[in-house]
Amino acid sequence: GAGVSQSPSNKVTEKGKDVELRCDPISGHTALYWYRQSLGQGLEFLIYFQGNSAPDKSGLPSDRFSAERTGGSVSTLTIQRTQQEDSAVYLCASSVTSGRNFYEQYFGPGTRLTVT
Amino acid sequence: AQKITQTQPGMFVQEKEAVTLDCTYDTSDPSYGLFWYKQPSSGEMIFLIYQGSYDQQNATEGRYSLNFQKARKSANLVISASQLGDSAMYFCAMRDRRGNYQLIWGAGTKLIIKP
Repeated sequence: GAGVSQSPSNKVTEKGKDVELRCDPISGHTALYWYRQSLGQGLEFLIYFQGNSAPDKSGLPSDRFSAERTGGSVSTLTIQRTQQEDSAVYLCASSVTSGRNFYEQYFGPGTRLTVT
Repeated sequence: AQKITQTQPGMFVQEKEAVTLDCTYDTSDPSYGLFWYKQPSSGEMIFLIYQGSYDQQNATEGRYSLNFQKARKSANLVISASQLGDSAMYFCAMRDRRGNYQLIWGAGTKLIIKP
């Protein structure tokens, strides 16, 4: 079946502009995660959605970052007034939350954001 | 505090040899899970193997096995009979009952398989 998809795959934007990154999780996956990966680094947790529960926003680096998940499926990560330090690959993952495989997060291909 | 440490920033291994990638972790929660992911140059994150803290046996998935030493808080990944396609970044990650299932990630090890 279809995996996690993300769009755009690449985004170049000018400093100060707003950007929106989209994630389509695997159908039926109730949990959705956003991570950020800077060049040569591990992943940094940003935000977690689980069903209809309030999202865990504890990883968002500043109030310029926000995310929403509509209808328990598609999610959009918005970065306002982008800064050069926002340049990174933004990865989305989804998972089920029951059974043995609820441990496994399935990742999308990522969106490479470059702020000039 | 939760922490994952991968001490090998890069490794070169001859094709067909076995390779061990090191990972140590720190958590005060007795219930946790440990994961290994592979990230090829194409960028996608590929799940390899999972070990639960209460699992009695070391996890194995094909050529991948996890050398879980609970007392030492280590969870090393062993790849047997390495192949050229194994060249990639490898990340160790951990989840415990805090943090709403978010994974805590190590910095990664870049593995290069030489022909």
